[in-house]
Amino acid sequence: GAVVSQHPSWVICKSGTSVKIECRSLDFQATTMFWYRQFPKQSLMLMATSNEGSKATYEQGVEKDKFLINHASLTLSTLTVTSAHPEDSSFYICSAPDRGGYTFGSGTRLTVV
Amino acid sequence: AQSVTQPDIHITVSEGASLELRCNYSYGATPYLFWYVQSPGQGLQLLLKYFSGDTLVQGIKGFEAEFKRSQSSFNLRKPSVHWSDAAEYFCAVGNGAGSYQLTFGKGTKLSVIP
Repeated sequence: GAVVSQHPSWVICKSGTSVKIECRSLDFQATTMFWYRQFPKQSLMLMATSNEGSKATYEQGVEKDKFLINHASLTLSTLTVTSAHPEDSSFYICSAPDRGGYTFGSGTRLTVV
Repeated sequence: AQSVTQPDIHITVSEGASLELRCNYSYGATPYLFWYVQSPGQGLQLLLKYFSGDTLVQGIKGFEAEFKRSQSSFNLRKPSVHWSDAAEYFCAVGNGAGSYQLTFGKGTKLSVIP
């Protein structure tokens, strides 16, 4: 079946630094990638939708200058958390639509210290 | 706007007992409905989905769900729960207009007593 590979699985970074999260579709072309954020014991909240070759669409309240999304190819989408702060600590998950519905990455646990 | 309600935050069942997790949705047209399971620190695994056709949907790991349009519900069931089923379960509704956006419920945590 369709697989979305997400890296890294976890990352710890210092406050003020930037972190890049990658999601790759391994056996299908992902023209669209959804980026979600999940706080502990809460549901997934859609942050933004990226489309290959065009600008990402951000949900209300999500800072586009802080969460940079790039979808340069049909198999790779990246989320960069810029100037990270402790409040950005969260679980980030990507998801791509496929013929069966949606395939999710395994998630990235970001901890900003 | 579409929305999903999972009324039960936490459910505890004994191993071998039956299970039903509730999900109610709000959507203007025919919804695309999903159930996902998430183990701690992991991504989401699709259990089953409903797009159209037979309203009783069979999924993996012995789960099934029934779409009831009149009740705007898509409840997840399993006749006999195993300890390995302990996890967080999310119901989600998709935008049937083609934009593929998923809206998730807040999840139901399932605990299983041996």
